[in-house]
Amino acid sequence: AQKITQTQPGMFVQEKEAVTLDCTYDTSDPSYGLFWYKQPSSGEMIFLIYQGSYDQQNATEGRYSLNFQKARKSANLVISASQLGDSAMYFCAMREYPSGGGADGLTFGKGTHLIIQP
Amino acid sequence: EPEVTQTPSHQVTQMGQEVILRCVPISNHLYFYWYRQILGQKVEFLVSFYNNEISEKSEIFDDQFSVERPDGSNFTLKIRSTKLEDSAMYFCASSVSGREYETQYFGPGTRLLVL
Repeated sequence: AQKITQTQPGMFVQEKEAVTLDCTYDTSDPSYGLFWYKQPSSGEMIFLIYQGSYDQQNATEGRYSLNFQKARKSANLVISASQLGDSAMYFCAMREYPSGGGADGLTFGKGTHLIIQP
Repeated sequence: EPEVTQTPSHQVTQMGQEVILRCVPISNHLYFYWYRQILGQKVEFLVSFYNNEISEKSEIFDDQFSVERPDGSNFTLKIRSTKLEDSAMYFCASSVSGREYETQYFGPGTRLLVL
């Protein structure tokens, strides 16, 4: 089973509109972290926002916010007032509590390709 | 702002050759990672490294891969005998701790092409 599911392979949005990118996750760990990364066409991975499983409030970072619904196991990224520079791939990722005492890696979803149209 | 750096940005090699990808993690970070992204696919975890030894590794990280921290700043990924399917973008990342709430910061990647 997929641990991270992003159901929108691609999205077209008009500039200045808000956009929501969906992410659902699957874990039985009580402690985990959820992350969103942006990958522009140049290829680098840019960290956007983080939500911890125990956080009471939804995370916000500038124009980015995370709509965290723990019971539904969803962590949707909301971008307000979209800009042309927001066009990129967006990846949702999860990191679970280190089971073996080591540092587990991030598990990524397949991504959503967001295109902002003028 | 400190950042993870990677060299080279692009590498082309012949099948069967050895390649070494290099990374300089953020200086106060203690945990280091390698990921790969085959073209058009999702990012996949390869290995994590802490205190000069492998902390965790995925099924992808088989005997042809090795990692090393040869000095106080560099972190390397070696692929001993490259295969066509090793063609991918390889990302190095680092974090302060190995906990689930710790953000991993990624380098710009090395695009490896195996011919």
